[in-house]
Amino acid sequence: DTGVSQDPRHKITKRGQNVTFRCDPISEHNRLYWYRQTLGQGPEFLTYFQNEAQLEKSRLLSDRFSAERPKGSFSTLEIQRTEQGDSAMYLCASSLRQGGNEQYFGPGTRLTVT
Amino acid sequence: AQSVAQPEDQVNVAEGNPLTVKCTYSVSGNPYLFWYVQYPNRGLQFLLKYITGDNLVKGSYGFEAEFNKSQTSFHLKKPSALVSDSALYFCAVRSPGNQFYFGTGTSLTVIP
Repeated sequence: DTGVSQDPRHKITKRGQNVTFRCDPISEHNRLYWYRQTLGQGPEFLTYFQNEAQLEKSRLLSDRFSAERPKGSFSTLEIQRTEQGDSAMYLCASSLRQGGNEQYFGPGTRLTVT
Repeated sequence: AQSVAQPEDQVNVAEGNPLTVKCTYSVSGNPYLFWYVQYPNRGLQFLLKYITGDNLVKGSYGFEAEFNKSQTSFHLKKPSALVSDSALYFCAVRSPGNQFYFGTGTSLTVIP
């Protein structure tokens, strides 16, 4: 399967710890997006990359969140000093630059902060 | 500001009946509109999109959606519902800055 993959699928951490998630997009896709989804809500945009450049970042995104896509392929999302409010599903999606840009989503990483 | 609204949290329909899941949008410029479906414990799957052209767009699994510019709506439809269509459906709009804004989702239950 050559879809979007995310690792880990589940992460339990204690408040104050740092966590890092990885996303591997579909290989020919040059755009990569990160979202957060909580129960009963739709995905909330966090940030997106075109190749290795981070082009947009949500104003709602705390400084504790950082994302990288160093070689324009896989991406990492790091959350520093986690808080209980960070508990959510973190979704990654990728798309081509041209056309309608429909996104293909990974299975997500479920974060639980205790 | 860009946004989408899905006014119904839950839609129930009998198997074999037509279904409609509603979506209205607000966007500056020409709208790029999308529908996604999320099955339990599965990632979101792309169903269909409207970019330009015909107001009726066809997508995966027999779904279609009707773009109505005057009503700023993009309702998802299917002529005959299947039990396997039961899932969570999300409408989304793409902003000129390539950010995607999703609705809160509509849970569709198809009753056998």
